[in-house]
Amino acid sequence: GIQVEQSPPDLILQEGANSTLRCNFSDSVNNLQWFHQNPWGQLINLFYIPSGTKQNGRLSATTVATERYSLLYISSSQTTDSGVYFCAVSGNRGSTLGRLYFGRGTQLTVWP
Amino acid sequence: DTAVSQTPKYLVTQMGNDKSIKCEQNLGHDTMYWYKQDSKKFLKIMFSYNNKELIINETVPNRFSPKSPDKAHLNLHINSLELGDSAVYFCASSRQQGSNTGELFFGEGSRLTVL
Repeated sequence: GIQVEQSPPDLILQEGANSTLRCNFSDSVNNLQWFHQNPWGQLINLFYIPSGTKQNGRLSATTVATERYSLLYISSSQTTDSGVYFCAVSGNRGSTLGRLYFGRGTQLTVWP
Repeated sequence: DTAVSQTPKYLVTQMGNDKSIKCEQNLGHDTMYWYKQDSKKFLKIMFSYNNKELIINETVPNRFSPKSPDKAHLNLHINSLELGDSAVYFCASSRQQGSNTGELFFGEGSRLTVL
């Protein structure tokens, strides 16, 4: 399978601060997604970003597929950003096709 | 309208019982999945169906049996429940694009507790 490593595992921020979450993966991929799991357990799609850069409001993501990493930027964090952020990838060959491999997540806590 | 919906959201049952979780998607996707999230929040694929055909069957006990009556539905039946089956089960769907899974969309999860 594909190994997905996320860092940091835990992050505590004051409201208004900026942060960068990192995702490294061990093989070439044709799919990379960032999810936010909110405190109610829902998995919310943030970005579908196998390569390049995307922005959505205060969030943006960059994937450099050739170097096997992706970054998620959160600016001006709010308490509602709290939760676990997951990176997940799908490979483009053999047994890695058709399945998302998840990282262990980054637990983000934003204090008012 | 909920894109991927699962029922029930919560399930508490005794060891040895049999239970089912149902999933429906209204996104017109052709591929559906079951993922399991353990107590440490690790998510791992269990099964994948494409147009009602089983594509992925991970190393899952054969007490777990998925069924896809049509490409909009994927149900999960679990026989002889064990304590270790307690977890959150997520259904997901995507539109297959050649060898690419496409973007996955998840349901809200079904929290199973086995006593």
